Amino acid sequence: DAGVIQSPRHEVTEMGQEVTLRCKPISGHNSLFWYRQTMMRGLELLIYFNNNVPIDDSGMPEDRFSAKMPNASFSTLKIQPSEPRDSAVYFCASSHGQGAADTQYFGPGTRLTVL
Amino acid sequence: GIQVEQSPPDLILQEGANSTLRCNFSDSVNNLQWFHQNPWGQLINLFYIPSGTKQNGRLSATTVATERYSLLYISSSQTTDSGVYFCAVISHYGGATNKLIFGTGTLLAVQP
Repeated sequence: DAGVIQSPRHEVTEMGQEVTLRCKPISGHNSLFWYRQTMMRGLELLIYFNNNVPIDDSGMPEDRFSAKMPNASFSTLKIQPSEPRDSAVYFCASSHGQGAADTQYFGPGTRLTVL
Repeated sequence: GIQVEQSPPDLILQEGANSTLRCNFSDSVNNLQWFHQNPWGQLINLFYIPSGTKQNGRLSATTVATERYSLLYISSSQTTDSGVYFCAVISHYGGATNKLIFGTGTLLAVQP
């Protein structure tokens, strides 16, 4: 298996622009997670899907952030409008079971820079 | 919420040395995982270890859930072991979400 795939790997954009991050989980995994990593806040969970349904989005910073999972093999995280404080590395992870109880496999991350 | 503290915050080793990384957590947990983030940013799951001891090659981990800590042992360290090691837990009281809470990490540099 190719593992969790994320695109793009790097994104540089200007404040106010819309940003869309993409993730393809490992085939057969039922849970998908979006994380954000910054120096100040470390790794924090933004949203978690199980069987394509959002279970917990309490980590989503504000209304500018939205995530979708239209099918079992694809998810997007959108920021509109983007702000410089959104600059971070965004990771997608997937696991076989329900919730975070199973081993999570992380993608390579998307490094986002908002100017 | 649950607090996860890791020590030491950073560590420098000579190749071949052994080390022990510690993870303390403030409440009962259902799940504990160790991750390695390499210098290129990739996060790799090392152990799923809510209790007991596991070994994988030169790495081993022990979790004593009743005393709220876990240890990660690295023996005969190699330069490829460099990176940040994270401990992550799921609180016993976390509810349906079972959210993984990450510690602040230990930055390890192994010098040749």
